[in-house]
Amino acid sequence: DSGVTQTPKHLITATGQRVTLRCSPRSGDLSVYWYQQSLDQGLQFLIQYYNGEERAKGNILERFSAQQFPDLHSELNLSSLELGDSALYFCASSVGTEATNEKLFFGSGTQLSVL
Amino acid sequence: AQKITQTQPGMFVQEKEAVTLDCTYDTSDPSYGLFWYKQPSSGEMIFLIYQGSYDQQNATEGRYSLNFQKARKSANLVISASQLGDSAMYFCAMRVRSYNTDKLIFGTGTRLQVFP
Repeated sequence: DSGVTQTPKHLITATGQRVTLRCSPRSGDLSVYWYQQSLDQGLQFLIQYYNGEERAKGNILERFSAQQFPDLHSELNLSSLELGDSALYFCASSVGTEATNEKLFFGSGTQLSVL
Repeated sequence: AQKITQTQPGMFVQEKEAVTLDCTYDTSDPSYGLFWYKQPSSGEMIFLIYQGSYDQQNATEGRYSLNFQKARKSANLVISASQLGDSAMYFCAMRVRSYNTDKLIFGTGTRLQVFP
């Protein structure tokens, strides 16, 4: 158990809908990362938050948004969903130091299926 | 551009044998970190081993070791005494930091299958 909690584990929805994925980082971790894993794109970095502030942005679509709350949990909002958004969405957390050896701890992911 | 390349889509190994999973990377940063993660069929990403760019010795964690060849920009994962439970996807990753980014970038992965 990595200590990172993601809910829900599975989500099935229709095109055009909006969903929210939730992540609780490990206790003490200030950084939260969101990744998307799909068969054709592999593991893609979406966005990172550190202590409530957006710190880095990757290949995140404008239809997607995220935030990190004062209690450090994070939510990833996906709107106007398309079939191609079907993927496994991971949240990861880390302490948030500047060290290159700081590893990320991953949650078990949310499997999103858009029908 | 910073990039991780894993050229082996799939590998087979017999139980109790050793196997090497290849990883090459590209970066112009002098300071970087290299990671290996395992993803079993259940889906979670499990950290295995880390190697820093300034580390003089190859990293080891139990049956996992990292064959780090800096001049060749390679960071191959060696699994000794393979077990059936080692069957999984394996991802090589690199820590990328700059003034506006902080992330792990991943290779495409290698699917390892261990057979009896």
